Amino acid sequence: DTAVSQTPKYLVTQMGNDKSIKCEQNLGHDTMYWYKQDSKKFLKIMFSYNNKELIINETVPNRFSPKSPDKAHLNLHINSLELGDSAVYFCASSQGRVRGAMNTEAFFGQGTRLTVV
Amino acid sequence: QKEVEQDPGPLSVPEGAIVSLNCTYSNSAFQYFMWYRQYSRKGPELLMYTYSSGNKEDGRFTAQVDKSSKYISLFIRDSQPSDSATYLCAMRGYQKVTFGTGTKLQVIP
Repeated sequence: DTAVSQTPKYLVTQMGNDKSIKCEQNLGHDTMYWYKQDSKKFLKIMFSYNNKELIINETVPNRFSPKSPDKAHLNLHINSLELGDSAVYFCASSQGRVRGAMNTEAFFGQGTRLTVV
Repeated sequence: QKEVEQDPGPLSVPEGAIVSLNCTYSNSAFQYFMWYRQYSRKGPELLMYTYSSGNKEDGRFTAQVDKSSKYISLFIRDSQPSDSATYLCAMRGYQKVTFGTGTKLQVIP
C-alpha cells in the first residue's frame, strides 16, 4: 500500500537518449515535487506542482520537463541525457503549500537511480 | 557559503551512546526546521519538525533550535543499530525547503 511510488526504480541508459520517470501518490495530497540527490547525498528541489500547476521551477536545464496530468501524478521527462544527469531522483508529495514552499511534512518515494553511460 | 551546512560524517558510535547531529544555517528567514532520516537506497522520511526556537521531544529523539545562533541539533538517546542511516536537516522559510547534505550515522552493536 505504497504512499508515493516511482517507476522505474533503476534506469541505466546511454547518453543522448530520452527517458521518463513516473510518480504516483495515493495520499490525496495536492502538491508534488521532484528532487535530485547527487552522489554526495545533497537533495535539491527541481520542480513543484500544486493541483497540476507548476509553482517551483528551479534552475534546471530545459531538457528536464515535468508533466502533471492530475494531482496524483507527476512525471519527469528527460531529453538528451548527459553523464551529469546520473543521480537518484525522488518524487515527493505534501498537503498544502505556503507561498510555494513545501508544507512541513513531505512523503518521499523510494527514488529512481538513474545511471547514464 | 551554503545556506545550510551539515557535517557529512560518517559518525560511528557504540550502541547505547547519545548521538548529537547538527546543522548551521545562514538564512534568517527560515522558520520551520525538520529532520529527515534516510536509510540506504530509500527515500527520506520525516522524523521531527519544530517551529522557531525551542526543543521538541519524541521518544528517544530530541530536536533543538537556536535561532539566535542559527544552529539546530538532533539528539538520539540510547542509540540502536537500527538508527544507522543518513540524517538530513531541512529548513523552510517563505520559499522552498532547503536540505543539508546529510550526516551518515553508524551505530555499532
